[in-house]
Amino acid sequence: AQTVTQSQPEMSVQEAETVTLSCTYDTSESDYYLFWYKQPPSRQMILVIRQEAYKQQNATENRFSVNFQKAAKSFSLKISDSQLGDAAMYFCAYRSAGLASGSRLTFGEGTQLTVNP
Amino acid sequence: NAGVTQTPKFRILKIGQSMTLQCTQDMNHNYMYWYRQDPGMGLKLIYYSVGAGITDKGEVPNGYNVSRSTTEDFPLRLELAAPSQTSVYFCASTHGHSNQPQHFGDGTRLSIL
Repeated sequence: AQTVTQSQPEMSVQEAETVTLSCTYDTSESDYYLFWYKQPPSRQMILVIRQEAYKQQNATENRFSVNFQKAAKSFSLKISDSQLGDAAMYFCAYRSAGLASGSRLTFGEGTQLTVNP
Repeated sequence: NAGVTQTPKFRILKIGQSMTLQCTQDMNHNYMYWYRQDPGMGLKLIYYSVGAGITDKGEVPNGYNVSRSTTEDFPLRLELAAPSQTSVYFCASTHGHSNQPQHFGDGTRLSIL
């Protein structure tokens, strides 16, 4: 079974600065997808960014980018120019590309990000 | 486009009571999921379905039941509520077999007292 580990329960960053959230995962599969979700106090689950394992290029979405290291099984999220609205719980998630998996997600425990003005 | 709709948003149950959490999606997604999120923790999969009439257990299925009679609806049943089932429950859906993300409902906060 796959596992996802987020080793930073809490992180803080000053507004306008850059912060990196860590995620590692354990899998024996070669084809899979990785996601970062944001959960603000409203508890909505909002997709931030996704990465396909077969793509070497790191995904970017505006101020959000990832550092995907497949051999190291690492998938960190970098938030540039942090804004107060970025304050939330961030979850890293893994999904197998195999048909038998049912496309289900395995989540890490989350990192609570605080943005200081 | 409503996406994934969960009802109710909040509920308080007494130990031993039963209830059904409703979930419906209007995106014609084949795959649907139920997760629970305990305070300060990540989401854990309870049950999932890859199509009408097909359901399967996730990581934490004990104490729950599901059914999938239509593509749109995926209700979650608690038969004998226990304090350990106090949690926030999320329903999600996706097309499956692709890099498309799961779309989540807004969650149901359930307290068992």
